[in-house]
Amino acid sequence: GENVEQHPSTLSVQEGDSAVIKCTYSDSASNYFPWYKQELGKRPQLIIDIRSNVGEKKDQRIAVTLNKTAKHFSLHITETQPEDSAVYFCAASNREESSGDKLTFGTGTRLAVRP
Amino acid sequence: ETGVTQSPTHLIKTRGQQVTLRCSSQSGHNTVSWYQQALGQGPQFIFQYYREEENGRGNFPPRFSGLQFPNYSSELNVNALELDDSALYLCASSFPGVETQYFGPGTRLLVL
Repeated sequence: GENVEQHPSTLSVQEGDSAVIKCTYSDSASNYFPWYKQELGKRPQLIIDIRSNVGEKKDQRIAVTLNKTAKHFSLHITETQPEDSAVYFCAASNREESSGDKLTFGTGTRLAVRP
Repeated sequence: ETGVTQSPTHLIKTRGQQVTLRCSSQSGHNTVSWYQQALGQGPQFIFQYYREEENGRGNFPPRFSGLQFPNYSSELNVNALELDDSALYLCASSFPGVETQYFGPGTRLLVL
């Protein structure tokens, strides 16, 4: 089955700086890669996603890049703000598998933005 | 904010008991997935329901079972509760044919 590794586990940046979180996946058949933000005690919220036919996607201060050959994808947050502080999870899925749209999650990155 | 809702928000049970958790999917979503999130971990896929049928299952024992109803709402049932079942249980719904999953607020289960 799929295995997703996520690094770093914690990240502290100064407000206004950029933050980068990296994930690797094991199953070359995975074709959908979402990123979720989870604030303390709240639900995971989708912030951006990318499909395997695209190498990069951007939405305002957030961007995701995908390298299918190396089987890794990254989340980039620019001009960080204190409200970006949360736990971020990457995930991967393969719709062709028998497990439906099973999302396999990374272990999370706790991002702290220092004012 | 998504329209996925879950009940109850919190629940305390003792080992060996049974529990039923409920999820109402967002309007128009006919696929519901359930995940278990232990403290400090990422969500783990339990199973998915599509048109009232189980459509994929993760590495969870048979004492984890589910249902989906004609209105696409869903239940997660856990029998013979164990201490390690203590976790946040999340459901997520999605549109037909779309991979994007939107999560509910979760039910926090504590097994004593």
